[in-house]
Amino acid sequence: EVQLVESGGGLVQPGGSLRLSCVASGFSFSNYEMNWVRQAPGKGLEWVSYITSSSSSTFYAESVRGRFTISRDNAKNSLYLQMNSLRDDDTALYYCAREKAAVGGDALDIWGQGTMVTVSS
Amino acid sequence: QSALTQPPSASGSPGQSVTISCTGTSSDVGGYNYVSWYQHHAGKAPKLMIYEVSKRPSGVPDRFSGSKSGNTASLTVSGLQAEDEADYYCSSQAATTFYVFGSGTKVTVL
Repeated sequence: EVQLVESGGGLVQPGGSLRLSCVASGFSFSNYEMNWVRQAPGKGLEWVSYITSSSSSTFYAESVRGRFTISRDNAKNSLYLQMNSLRDDDTALYYCAREKAAVGGDALDIWGQGTMVTVSS
Repeated sequence: QSALTQPPSASGSPGQSVTISCTGTSSDVGGYNYVSWYQHHAGKAPKLMIYEVSKRPSGVPDRFSGSKSGNTASLTVSGLQAEDEADYYCSSQAATTFYVFGSGTKVTVL
């Protein structure tokens, strides 16, 4: 079964850090570009970050640029999001999602169920 | 980059059709043929229903169809079924970001 499973969420104080993980199974992870997308409570979806299959390029939403870092380990079928200098408005359910084609921004065809990040003092 | 505009809610009786609009600008919906639609049941992973404006992934019923005219994309669900009740989000590639999402539409099957 094609699957993405996120972990690493939790409660963190403003200014703190957290590292999210996403483990892929059921497909050749190293062949796909990957993304992180988040959803704040009661709000819509917001794209966060993108990484190419070989990690050669990364891209970020303006709201997280300079604070978040996306990375991957193809040997471990894993995607990561290092989140630093966290703010209240980073509180959200974070999803990892597979890029359908080798064209960033085409479509996200496989999603995980998300991991919740709460930033609060 | 502002979110794409969707109506907050839409509804229909079983067997009827419902159409959800998704309005952007020439810098996103109007400028790219990379418009996609996602179905999201609370607590579950979002599911891709339409990509590249009107294409259906394998396994998605042909009751779901997509189209685009100018800066507005649309998702039509024909022959509404109880399991279609969910939140629906559109998305588009954009000039300044990989993905811009819509505000979401809650579809209710009456």
